[in-house]
Amino acid sequence: GQQLNQSPQSMFIQEGEDVSMNCTSSSIFNTWLWYKQDPGEGPVLLIALYKAGELTSNGRLTAQFGITRKDSFLNISASIPSDVGIYFCAGRPRGSGNTGKLIFGQGTTLQVKP
Amino acid sequence: DGGITQSPKYLFRKEGQNVTLSCEQNLNHDAMYWYRQDPGQGLRLIYYSQIVNDFQKGDIAEGYSVSREKKESFPLTVTSAQKNPTAFYLCASSILSGGALETQYFGPGTRLLVL
Repeated sequence: GQQLNQSPQSMFIQEGEDVSMNCTSSSIFNTWLWYKQDPGEGPVLLIALYKAGELTSNGRLTAQFGITRKDSFLNISASIPSDVGIYFCAGRPRGSGNTGKLIFGQGTTLQVKP
Repeated sequence: DGGITQSPKYLFRKEGQNVTLSCEQNLNHDAMYWYRQDPGQGLRLIYYSQIVNDFQKGDIAEGYSVSREKKESFPLTVTSAQKNPTAFYLCASSILSGGALETQYFGPGTRLLVL
């Protein structure tokens, strides 16, 4: 089946550093979503992207929908301890508009050292 | 407050037992979904429903069953046929817009453990 390759798998950074993670696919996606999951909780939507080239910010977070429609990245600027968690990308493949299916990346685990 | 609730937070299952996980939403969303999450893994779709009294299998439906008798409720039953049920189960919902499904929002999850 379709897969999303999310990288890096994990990151351990110093507070104040910027973070970048990305997702790539071999097929075209119509929607890209970025979620954050705290331990033992459900994922919370951070940013939703619907158009190729779209660049959207949410506070210190910025995400872009790749021009090729096969990738997306998420940047976090000036990281703080509460940024710790697992970040998931998710995408809705072209042609799956009525199936309800999102494809999820494997997640990037972020740890921030104060 | 509007949102998605799942209960219980933790659930224990004995061998050969069926258990039912609850998911309720008051967002007036049309579609609802169930996902399974294993440690270090992404989310895998079990079942989804776009409308009351209708639902479709996801990628890993074997050993699970669902019902959608009300718009706001989408319970998941983990049957005894599911041989490896220990996981974190997440419910999500979304609106339907112009024939395309919109962004999914998640509940807090239920952790199922086998005794």
